[in-house]
Amino acid sequence: AQSVSQHNHHVILSEAASLELGCNYSYGGTVNLFWYVQYPGQHLQLLLKYFSGDPLVKGIKGFEAEFIKSKFSFNLRKPSVQWSDTAEYFCAVNRAGETSGSRLTFGEGTQLTVNP
Amino acid sequence: DTGVSQDPRHKITKRGQNVTFRCDPISEHNRLYWYRQTLGQGPEFLTYFQNEAQLEKSRLLSDRFSAERPKGSFSTLEIQRTEQGDSAMYLCASSLKGWRQPNYGYTFGSGTRLTVV
Repeated sequence: AQSVSQHNHHVILSEAASLELGCNYSYGGTVNLFWYVQYPGQHLQLLLKYFSGDPLVKGIKGFEAEFIKSKFSFNLRKPSVQWSDTAEYFCAVNRAGETSGSRLTFGEGTQLTVNP
Repeated sequence: DTGVSQDPRHKITKRGQNVTFRCDPISEHNRLYWYRQTLGQGPEFLTYFQNEAQLEKSRLLSDRFSAERPKGSFSTLEIQRTEQGDSAMYLCASSLKGWRQPNYGYTFGSGTRLTVV
């Protein structure tokens, strides 16, 4: 079974600081990778996803993530955070392939607080 | 509007009572998922449907939980004889089958927050 680990449970930054949130997964096969964001009181929203191809994926709101297969990692980055980025961020994975199960496995989440 | 609707938004019930939640997915999505999220944790998979067929159930889904998607459209999740440990946010998501499609992804609803007292 796959699992996802997010090492930082709470990150506090000042505006304009750079962000990197760690995500590692364990699964021996081919995976699809996702980052979701949950703003206070709102539903989960997709930031970006990786299926194949260029391991550097760009998403919405200036976020990007890099898939490093050898490290089983999919870290989320943003060069300069804003107060409005305050939210909880979830990394998720599912097994690739048409006939495989499609359940998403989520990490524990990282609460990001950006101080103005 | 997320496209995935869940009802009710909040439910407070007494221990031992039965509760039922409803999810209306995006109409063209043939897959529907239920997840449970507790405070400080990521969502945990419960079950999913492809059209009306329930294809996978998590071991988290005890005998007190049952989910249906009778016509391949909306779905219901029922919890019988609720326990305090059932208190959580219950999330519904939908997607298209076919992960190679460019628009593949999961769309989540806002969830139903269940409090068992």
